[in-house]
Amino acid sequence: QVQLVQSGAEVKKPGASVKLSCKASGYTFTRNAIHWVRQAPGQRLEWMGWINAGNGNTRYSQKFQGRVTITRDTSATTGYMELKNLRSEDTAVYYCARDDGGTLDKWGLGTLVTVSS
Amino acid sequence: DIQMTQSPSTLSVSVGDRVTITCRASQSISSWLAWYQQKPGKAPKLLIYKASSLETGVPSRFSGSGSGTEFTLTISSLQPDDFATYFCQQYNSYPWTFGQGTKVEIK
Repeated sequence: QVQLVQSGAEVKKPGASVKLSCKASGYTFTRNAIHWVRQAPGQRLEWMGWINAGNGNTRYSQKFQGRVTITRDTSATTGYMELKNLRSEDTAVYYCARDDGGTLDKWGLGTLVTVSS
Repeated sequence: DIQMTQSPSTLSVSVGDRVTITCRASQSISSWLAWYQQKPGKAPKLLIYKASSLETGVPSRFSGSGSGTEFTLTISSLQPDDFATYFCQQYNSYPWTFGQGTKVEIK
């Protein structure tokens, strides 16, 4: 069955970077895009960007442009999301999700990132 | 960015009740709308896509309707497993945006 297994919780200081992983299994990795979505405490879900796992093309939300980089390793069937220059407002649960024809049909369990001095 | 507004924010209901949740878009999104269910500590689950198409494996008591700017998620007879938070998401244009969520709780 399709699974997206995300890396463990992170605690970072302001100004640092974090790189999260999302290991995919149960399907042909290169056939679907992977999206990253985050949810800060008490806030709605927020779309960050996606990567075409086949050709590596990416698209980012303007809000995160310049701070976020989404990559993938096809041999490891893993997607990555790096967020730089962290601030306290970046404290959130970060989800990866598979794109199936434009909708997010499978999600990981999420990774909690806490940014605190 | 397209703003998505759900109502109500919270619903207190009983098992067997009919539940209706509304999602409004700040501009037309045609039928490019999805509904998800989320339970605490679990991954969101896709219920409905393209406004009214039921995802494989989702019980038929869930249905979606609407187009343009107004959409509805209906649960025909609420079951114990349905107590959760539901949110809508538009994928008509980037950035994709989500509603703030509707929590369905036990009355």
